[in-house]
Amino acid sequence: DAGVIQSPRHEVTEMGQEVTLRCKPISGHDYLFWYRQTMMRGLELLIYFNNNVPIDDSGMPEDRFSAKMPNASFSTLKIQPSEPRDSAVYFCASSYGLAGVHGELFFGEGSRLTVL
Amino acid sequence: DQQVKQNSPSLSVQEGRISILNCDYTNSMFDYFLWYKKYPAEGPTFLISISSIKDKNEDGRFTVFLNKSAKHLSLHIVPSQPGDSAVYFCAASANGNKLVFGAGTILRVKS
Repeated sequence: DAGVIQSPRHEVTEMGQEVTLRCKPISGHDYLFWYRQTMMRGLELLIYFNNNVPIDDSGMPEDRFSAKMPNASFSTLKIQPSEPRDSAVYFCASSYGLAGVHGELFFGEGSRLTVL
Repeated sequence: DQQVKQNSPSLSVQEGRISILNCDYTNSMFDYFLWYKKYPAEGPTFLISISSIKDKNEDGRFTVFLNKSAKHLSLHIVPSQPGDSAVYFCAASANGNKLVFGAGTILRVKS
């Protein structure tokens, strides 16, 4: 299996622009997670899906952030409009089961977002 | 409210010596703990885990210790190697719920 695939790897945009990050989870995994890594907060969970259904979006910072999972093999995280403080590395991860009890999370290589 | 805390942002260790990375948690309901390792420009990868019914789990050079009364766990790497240089994240879950991660500790192993 190719693992979790994220695109783009790097994105530089200007404040106010829309940003869309994409993720292809590992086939057969029933959970998909979006995390954000910053120096100050480390790895923050933004939202997760179970069988394509959003379960917990309590970590989504603002209404400017939205995520979708239209099918089992694709998810997007959108920021509209983007702001400089959104600059971070965004990780997508997938797993069997919700937590490490059923198997650990498999992370993608991340999308580094820079908002100027 | 940080439920999982890694109070040391970085650690520097000489090759061949022991590396000890620490993690504290506040939620007494946490019953499963994991360590992830992250290299630059890569995603975190699973390293080792421990259930709350144990106080130690060992996998080669890596050992995780859990002290439930102190709400503390640690990762020991013996002997440390330059290839161990990475960011280490501690994570915890309660009743099979979502993982909560700490902020990470940067480990540098000097040769």
